[in-house]
Amino acid sequence: GAGVSQSPSNKVTEKGKDVELRCDPISGHTALYWYRQRLGQGLEFLIYFQGNSAPDKSGLPSDRFSAERTGESVSTLTIQRTQQEDSAVYLCASSLQESNTEAFFGQGTRLTVV
Amino acid sequence: GDSVTQMEGPVTLSEEAFLTINCTYTATGYPSLFWYVQYPGEGLQLLLKATKADDKGSNKGFEATYRKETTSFHLEKGSVQVSDSAVYFCALSDRAGNTPLVFGKGTRLSVIA
Repeated sequence: GAGVSQSPSNKVTEKGKDVELRCDPISGHTALYWYRQRLGQGLEFLIYFQGNSAPDKSGLPSDRFSAERTGESVSTLTIQRTQQEDSAVYLCASSLQESNTEAFFGQGTRLTVV
Repeated sequence: GDSVTQMEGPVTLSEEAFLTINCTYTATGYPSLFWYVQYPGEGLQLLLKATKADDKGSNKGFEATYRKETTSFHLEKGSVQVSDSAVYFCALSDRAGNTPLVFGKGTRLSVIA
């Protein structure tokens, strides 16, 4: 597709279950970001992939969170043993390598932990 | 590390009022600066950008000038409309410093008729 695609768009899960969120970036975009946005809040940086460099994981809130990216393609964000405070919209964005280019955002995955 | 600070909201204005949303940044390199907008129920989208000092980004009547001397990138619009009601995020990108896209906390704008 032409834009960043995220799936699922909505996910309701029980506390303690694992969830996997998927992001398909725009083709050719080497940079990929994951952010978390709690209700009414700003964007919280989670992780950043840039080409073949080691990912910047400095924003991951706990070891329950992990993310992978296959080359310059799909990325998955995994949350293990979900907690209620994990409820949020998880946003993925991609961009070209150059810093003066914009990031394009997906519509997000709304995660609700019950 | 790099950071962005923007004015706290919410901001409520009457239609046709002048808008300023302040944004200042801290960066080790020479970042590019962005304003993103999130309309109700929609995803984030780029509003405007500036890539070097003294550049002015503009779009949809909004403007922001990259001020290196004051490390600022304030968003302005001369006459807001109800349709401008949204959350506005200031952001920077500093690839030279290998810094991911860093966002401010966002400012919610409500414009009333």
